[in-house]
Amino acid sequence: EVQLVESGGDLVQPGGSLKLSCAASAFAFSNYWMSWVRQAPGKGLEWVANIDQDGSEKNYVDSVKGRFTISRDNVKNSLFLQMSSLRAEDTAVYYCARDPYQRYSSSRFDFWGQGTLVTVSS
Amino acid sequence: DIQMTQSPSSLSASVGDRVTITCRASQSISNYLNWYQQKPGKAPKLLIYAASSLQSGVPSRFSGSGSGTDFTLTINRLQPEDFATYYCQQSYSPPPHTFGQGTKLQIK
Repeated sequence: EVQLVESGGDLVQPGGSLKLSCAASAFAFSNYWMSWVRQAPGKGLEWVANIDQDGSEKNYVDSVKGRFTISRDNVKNSLFLQMSSLRAEDTAVYYCARDPYQRYSSSRFDFWGQGTLVTVSS
Repeated sequence: DIQMTQSPSSLSASVGDRVTITCRASQSISNYLNWYQQKPGKAPKLLIYAASSLQSGVPSRFSGSGSGTDFTLTINRLQPEDFATYYCQQSYSPPPHTFGQGTKLQIK
């Protein structure tokens, strides 16, 4: 059974840093684009970042560019999100999601982790 | 960035009803439109991708249609487990692949 398990969420002060991890299992991790999606408390979903199969292509939403870095380790079947210069508005549950996008197909998130909560507050 | 607008923001319906949720894109996105269902405290679940393709394992009472800028999600014969929040998402290149604001489907 495909599993994505996020970890690393915590309470952090404004301006601080945090690194989230997502451990993948039961599928060929290196064959998939992967993404981070966040959800502020009581709010909707926000696409944050994605990364291609070998980590050579990365994309970010404007609000996190220059502060967040997405990366992956295909040997350890893990996805990461390094977050720095954190702001109150970054407070959210962060989900990792698998994207079966291939050339000539469409991007979508077919499996999601359970999420990890990041709280930015003093 | 492409903006996605869902309507209505909330909706009340009864078990057995047919409901339709609409999603409008700020520019043409061809058929690059996905629908997700989210229940409280849970991760979203993919229902429909590429506007009208049913994700494996999703009941056939869910269907999607549309292209260009206007899309609909239809749920036939509502079941108790269908009461949730629904999101559309565009995946038209390039990222960000933005979501709609959500539609909360409640029991009447």
